[in-house]
Parts: sequence; structure tokens; C-alpha cells
Amino acid sequence: QQQVRQSPQSLTVWEGETAILNCSYENSAFDYFPWYQQFPGEGPALLIAIRSVSDKKEDGRFTIFFNKREKKLSLHITDSQPGDSATYFCAALSNSGGSNYKLTFGKGTLLTVTP
Amino acid sequence: GPKVLQIPSHQIIDMGQMVTLNCDPVSNHLYFYWYKQILGQQMEFLVNFYNGKVMEKSKLFKDQFSVERPDGSYFTLKIQPTALEDSAVYFCASSLGGGRYAEQFFGPGTRLTVL
Repeated sequence: QQQVRQSPQSLTVWEGETAILNCSYENSAFDYFPWYQQFPGEGPALLIAIRSVSDKKEDGRFTIFFNKREKKLSLHITDSQPGDSATYFCAALSNSGGSNYKLTFGKGTLLTVTP
Repeated sequence: GPKVLQIPSHQIIDMGQMVTLNCDPVSNHLYFYWYKQILGQQMEFLVNFYNGKVMEKSKLFKDQFSVERPDGSYFTLKIQPTALEDSAVYFCASSLGGGRYAEQFFGPGTRLTVL
């Protein structure tokens, strides 16, 4: 059972366009959603995160939009650059079960930005 | 930024043998984690470790698995004996704190192939 789903599996955009990466979840107890960026040969690195009390989190060209009612969120990358080409993972943390650590990950979206 | 190193990057062993995966966490971090990613699947939490003890483990953390960090050296994941289903990429992570929003820093992973 996959608790965090990401779409599309892969995405190609032109340089300068906005890339939109989608994430949805099933567990209503999820209340913290970090997004990780992974380049080939490296480990995932925290990019931006949002808590469920917010509906938007912005950091430069990266913005998370969060819809709690629909259990959906999306990562928007504006003015996409070739250096943004990477795999992006949506993750979630539950506020029940007493765990501070157990991140649940999606399968990732492979983003390619073409010059 | 802070780097987590993993040694080796690839390991091929025969089923039934023992394997030790090594992780060199960020130097001042206190919390350590292992995640498992089967090819084509999402990364899944295995275990976290603090102050010489396992704090939390998932159902994927079988009896054949063990973790330790002797004398502040490598944080290790040992599998004894290995099984075919242990073939995966294993990611190590570390964090300075253990709070809900503590950033986990990931290594590049060790690809384990069990034949």
C-alpha cells in the first residue's frame, strides 16, 4: 500500500518554464511534508517543506501548494533551469504513532529541464 | 552542505553471507537512520538509532538486521544472513536533533545485490 503518491513519474520542461510536480497522500495523520531533491550519485537533500497548518510555502523559485481537504500538494518550480534537473521526492511525517522520524516517501518524479 | 558518506557504493554478495554497510554521518550529528529502496519503489524507513540504542524500527527491519555505532566510528547496518529480497539501495541519514522537524541529511546510498 503506497501512502504517498507522486505524479508524473517523469517530466520534461523547457528552460524558463514552470515545472509542476504533484503529490497526494492517504493518511490524515500526515502533517509535515518535506520535499527532497536528488542528483545522480548523491543522496536526497531537503529542498523545502510545509506543515499542514499552511497552504503555501515559498522559497525562491520553489513553492509548495497544499490542499488539506483533498490531501494533495504540489511543488512548483518557476523559471526552471537545467541545474534543476533531478529526482524530486515528496515525503510525509505522521503526527500519530509517536514517531518523530519515520518519513514516508513517494516514488519520486524525474525532472529534466531542457535548455 | 554537510555530507554523509557511505561505503561501499556497491556490494555484491551470495545469499546467506553476512554484509556490513558503513555510514560516516555528519560529524556532530546524534541521530542516525537507515532507509531501504527496492528498485522502482519508494524509499522506506528501516530504523533509527540514538545514544547507542535503536529508537524505532519498521517491520522491514528483520531479525537478521542489526545496527551499531561503536565508539563514534561508522554507523553500520549488518545483515546476517542475507536473503535475495535484501537486494536494494540502502540510504543512511543523520540529523543533529531528534525533533519532528529535524532535517535528515542523506548519504548517496549503497547498492546491495544478493545473488
